[in-house]
Amino acid sequence: AQSVTQPDIHITVSEGASLELRCNYSYGATPYLFWYVQSPGQGLQLLLKYFSGDTLVQGIKGFEAEFKRSQSSFNLRKPSVHWSDAAEYFCAVGASGTASKLTFGTGTRLQVTL
Amino acid sequence: GAGVSQSPSNKVTEKGKDVELRCDPISGHTALYWYRQSLGQGLEFLIYFQGNSAPDKSGLPSDRFSAERTGGSVSTLTIQRTQQEDSAVYLCASSSMDRSADSPLHFGNGTRLTVT
Repeated sequence: AQSVTQPDIHITVSEGASLELRCNYSYGATPYLFWYVQSPGQGLQLLLKYFSGDTLVQGIKGFEAEFKRSQSSFNLRKPSVHWSDAAEYFCAVGASGTASKLTFGTGTRLQVTL
Repeated sequence: GAGVSQSPSNKVTEKGKDVELRCDPISGHTALYWYRQSLGQGLEFLIYFQGNSAPDKSGLPSDRFSAERTGGSVSTLTIQRTQQEDSAVYLCASSSMDRSADSPLHFGNGTRLTVT
């Protein structure tokens, strides 16, 4: 069964600082990987996704993520954080070539200090 | 509509009562998903619809939970004889294709259920 681990429950960074949110997955084949962001009281918005090909994927809002098969990781990065990035971030894995559910991590809450 | 719509946004109910949560997906989206988000937890998959059928309902936690979808559009999640552990945010998502990984999920804002 597929699983996702986000080891950091809560991260605080200063505005303008760089950010890296960790995600490790467990899946037997090539996974489909996603990062979603959830602002307070809102649903989840897709930031980026990886299916195949280039292991560095670009997303919205200046985010990027790198798929590293050897480390079973898909860490999310941003070079300079803005106060509006404060939210909860979820990593998810999906089984390639099939319909149905994604498996989500427990999330990382990002706080941005001014 | 422009996005996935869920109602009500908040629901407070007494233990033992039944509740119905509604999801109106993006027009034309054939796939619909229900997830549950409990405090401090990730998103827990409940059920997936393709059209009006539910090929995967493996995440429903007990037989008190059921869901249906009619006309390939609106879905209702019903929880019977609610318990306090049912308190959570229930999120609905839809996507345009069979293969969720090829077509990203679009989430609604959720229904926050509180069982007192």
